[in-house]
Order: sequence, then structure tokens, then C-alpha cells
Amino acid sequence: DAKTTQPPSMDCAEGRAANLPCNHSTISGNEYVYWYRQIHSQGPQYIIHGLKNNETNEMASLIITEDRKSSTLILPHATLRDTAVYYCIVRPFSGSARQLTFGSGTQLTVLP
Amino acid sequence: DSGVTQTPKHLITATGQRVTLRCSPRSGDLSVYWYQQSLDQGLQFLIQYYNGEERAKGNILERFSAQQFPDLHSELNLSSLELGDSALYFCASSPSGGSGQPQHFGDGTRLSIL
Repeated sequence: DAKTTQPPSMDCAEGRAANLPCNHSTISGNEYVYWYRQIHSQGPQYIIHGLKNNETNEMASLIITEDRKSSTLILPHATLRDTAVYYCIVRPFSGSARQLTFGSGTQLTVLP
Repeated sequence: DSGVTQTPKHLITATGQRVTLRCSPRSGDLSVYWYQQSLDQGLQFLIQYYNGEERAKGNILERFSAQQFPDLHSELNLSSLELGDSALYFCASSPSGGSGQPQHFGDGTRLSIL
């Protein structure tokens, strides 16, 4: 699987947009970009995923660069409850092993 | 609420013992995944089942085993427990296991070995 690089930590003011970057320069054409978050020791929560187009849902937006080597997760109006570790994951859509491979993630702290 | 149910939430036991962790997937999901999260190793994939059959194996120790039953619930069995097995164990499910389908996680079982 392609590896991802994320900053270890970021801060964001409450009410502002949180932009979380992810580098996946070795991604191949048959791999999705997934984002999950984990609040304290709860189970990881699915946020969004995409292949090559930008995606938006009720939680966030995902912007993938045209060359697919990086992406940005955008939380449009961060709240204190968005404080969590955010994981960017690339996942192949072929082959027998399609598990999620979690890295270290980014600790996002939303400040009041 | 992800719809994935894991029991028990907490388990405390001693070295050498055997425990069983249980997972009920979301309604309609055929694929179940098990992950382990320890302080020093992060979240690691253990094993995947699809409709009762083992589909993929990750870093699962030989002392650990799993199965998925006809009603699609899954159990993770951990035996000859060691102190290092203390961790959070998460179960996730997805409709078929395809990569375009997100996995949804349960709240985990916290296993403490004394």
C-alpha cells in the first residue's frame, strides 16, 4: 500500500475551517484516499473518501490534487468536538487485502 | 452510533488465560474486520472475514483466532494471554469488503492483562 505523510499536530480556532493536509506521493491509480478520525479511545469514525474527484458530505470536504499525490480534508466550521486524531489512508480497490492501514495521523486540537 | 456492537466493553484478566471478544456487524454487512490498538503499535489490522470465510490476515498472532458465524457475528479468541496483549480491540464491518465501501467501527473492547 502507498504510505501517507501527515503533520503530527495542528491547532484550529473554533468556528474556523480546519484544513488537514496529507501527502501520498506514491499512490497508484487503483487506490482510494480515505479519512477517518478517532476521538480519544473511541472507535475510528469514517469521514469521507474519494478516488480522484473532490468529494463533500455532511461532515467534511475532500480535495484531491489533480496528480493525486496529495489531498486536504476540510472541516468547514470546526467545533471543540472535532478535536481528534485524523488519519489519511490509501486503500487499494483490487486484491484480496483491502484492510485499512493506519499511520500516526494528525492530532487536531480545536481551541475555544 | 456506527451500528457495530462489541462486547464486552472492558475485560480484565490474568496472564495465561483465554478470552473471547464478540462483534455484531451492522445490519446487512457481510464483511467483518478486527483491529488491535496498543500504545506502542497504533491501530493494526488483524484479520478479515467475509460471509463466514476468512479473507485476509494481518499481524495476527498464532495464539489468536477468529471466526464468523452464519448469523454474521464474529468472535475473536485470544489465548495464553501475555501482558503485551493489553490493548483496545476494534471490530469494523462493511457491506461486502470492497474498497469503495467504508468500514464502520464499533466502540471496541478494552482488554487489560494483569
